[in-house]
Amino acid sequence: GDSVTQTEGLVTLTEGLPVMLNCTYQSTYSPFLFWYVQHLNEAPKLLLKSFTDNKRPEHQGFHATLHKSSSSFHLQKSSAQLSDSALYYCALCRNNNNAPRFGAGTKLSVKP
Amino acid sequence: NAGVIQTPRHKVTGKGQEATLWCEPISGHSAVFWYRQTIVQGLEFLTYFRNQAPIDDSGMPKERFSAQMPNQSHSTLKIQSTQPQDSAVYLCASSPGLGGATQYFGPGTRLLVL
Repeated sequence: GDSVTQTEGLVTLTEGLPVMLNCTYQSTYSPFLFWYVQHLNEAPKLLLKSFTDNKRPEHQGFHATLHKSSSSFHLQKSSAQLSDSALYYCALCRNNNNAPRFGAGTKLSVKP
Repeated sequence: NAGVIQTPRHKVTGKGQEATLWCEPISGHSAVFWYRQTIVQGLEFLTYFRNQAPIDDSGMPKERFSAQMPNQSHSTLKIQSTQPQDSAVYLCASSPGLGGATQYFGPGTRLLVL
């Protein structure tokens, strides 16, 4: 079946340093990939989703590139901000008949 | 647009009691999902409905858990004979479709089983 792997449970960074959160997936199809962000005491919200035409999605300074050859959709940002501290989930949705599946999540903690 | 509404926001039950959680999806959304969130397991898929019909309940524990969507404006998740390990945040999400469609999450119901 489909699965999503987020290898880091916790990433701690100093403000201003680059961010990279890992996401790899397994699927026998060409799925849609998503990043959701959940701030403390809030609901998860969509941050990014992959395009079918290989464009690189960007939002709030974050970007992610879908690499089908390596089955990856890593989340990146050039300079971390304190407000980026949150829980980040990578998710996969195979097609219009399946519910999205989420990775275990990565907690990003940005320190001054 | 009020977003996805979940009630109650917090629920405390004694072991063995029943808990019913409610979700009102965004109007016009055809898909409704239930997830369970814990620190250890993250976001676990439980079940989903499309146009009110149950499509995939592969994530639901086989005993004690059930979900229904009697009309397009609400869905319920019922847990019978609650156990301490059922303690979690239960999230409902709705979506205008599947595949590449965005999910919109509700604020969740925090269930504590004593």
